Amino acid sequence: AQSVSQHNHHVILSEAASLELGCNYSYGGTVNLFWYVQYPGQHLQLLLKYFSGDPLVKGIKGFEAEFIKSKFSFNLRKPSVQWSDTAEYFCAVRDSSASKIIFGSGTRLSIRP
Amino acid sequence: GAGVSQSPSNKVTEKGKDVELRCDPISGHTALYWYRQSLGQGLEFLIYFQGNSAPDKSGLPSDRFSAERTGGSVSTLTIQRTQQEDSAVYLCASSSPGFPDTQYFGPGTRLTVL
Repeated sequence: AQSVSQHNHHVILSEAASLELGCNYSYGGTVNLFWYVQYPGQHLQLLLKYFSGDPLVKGIKGFEAEFIKSKFSFNLRKPSVQWSDTAEYFCAVRDSSASKIIFGSGTRLSIRP
Repeated sequence: GAGVSQSPSNKVTEKGKDVELRCDPISGHTALYWYRQSLGQGLEFLIYFQGNSAPDKSGLPSDRFSAERTGGSVSTLTIQRTQQEDSAVYLCASSSPGFPDTQYFGPGTRLTVL
């Protein structure tokens, strides 16, 4: 069965620090990959997604993620975080032939102003 | 409406009672999903609707859980004989035919079973 692992449960950074949140998945076939974000008091929303092509995907608010097939990874990065990036971040994977999306357990990001 | 709406926003019930949770997807969205988020856990897939049919209900944890969708729009998730372990936030999402992989989430219903 597919699964998604987010090893960091809570990350605390200072403003302007660089961010990398880890995501690994277990599935040998063709996958679609996603990062969702939930800001405090708001709905889950899509940050970025990878379907095919360039493995480096750019998302909103300066976020990017790199798909490394050999490592089954899809880590999220941002060169310089802001206080407003405080949120919970969820990695997700979908078997490209299926309908449901499997989510990781989430990483809570706290930014010190 | 402009987004996915869910009701009620909060529900407190006693163990053994039945509850119904409602989801109104974005107009025109044919796909609808239910997820459960327990404290400290990720989103657990429950069921997927395409129109009024549910081709994937593999995530429903027990036969106490059921869901239906009528008119290709509103969906109701029913939990019978609630247990304390059912306490969680129940999230609904919908997606459009043109962009099936971009799911729009509702605010969720926080269910507390005493």
